[in-house]
Amino acid sequence: DTEVTQTPKHLVMGMTNKKSLKCEQHMGHRAMYWYKQKAKKPPELMFVYSYEKLSINESVPSRFSPECPNSSLLNLHLHALQPEDSALYLCASSQDGVGVVGELFFGEGSRLTVL
Amino acid sequence: AQSVTQPDIHITVSEGASLELRCNYSYGATPYLFWYVQSPGQGLQLLLKYFSGDTLVQGIKGFEAEFKRSQSSFNLRKPSVHWSDAAEYFCAVVGGSYIPTFGRGTSLIVHP
Repeated sequence: DTEVTQTPKHLVMGMTNKKSLKCEQHMGHRAMYWYKQKAKKPPELMFVYSYEKLSINESVPSRFSPECPNSSLLNLHLHALQPEDSALYLCASSQDGVGVVGELFFGEGSRLTVL
Repeated sequence: AQSVTQPDIHITVSEGASLELRCNYSYGATPYLFWYVQSPGQGLQLLLKYFSGDTLVQGIKGFEAEFKRSQSSFNLRKPSVHWSDAAEYFCAVVGGSYIPTFGRGTSLIVHP
């Protein structure tokens, strides 16, 4: 199994809603990432978990809250978002923790629209 | 800190023609270099990577890339493009932070 699975594929939410994005991998990877991607732009790193601990937080607003319940799961909790937060949210994983360079395996993304 | 430049926003080629996508990096030491491809509405998929050794690396889908230290470049090539190669291509560099920095991407358009 070489997949990173993201749900939901599409999400529409209002600015007062609370929702979550979910990411799952069963490759035994020890690092998991959240990226935000706007149209025609490269992915921007948001968070990195290494061995289930938050390793990197790229100064992301607190309305985005990551959670890593176990080594296979990564959530992104969303609350009080703004329309400019509408984007494709990509989850990725890599075999080793932060400090070892390796290939990133990406999910297909969750397309978020904030009304 | 590392950085990567993809000078071409769009590249248009005819099906069957050869392809070269440019990537230049900035980093004080030898970096780790990657090319990823993203089809519309999809995540990114690794095409190939360079860590060390042979400077010409082969990847999936018939792609190859050559690391040229003197030019700080890692250009992606394919001898004959297929319509299914139309996608966004991202070059990425990894330096001391161990986290990839992505270029802005090059959109490949393939004409029949």
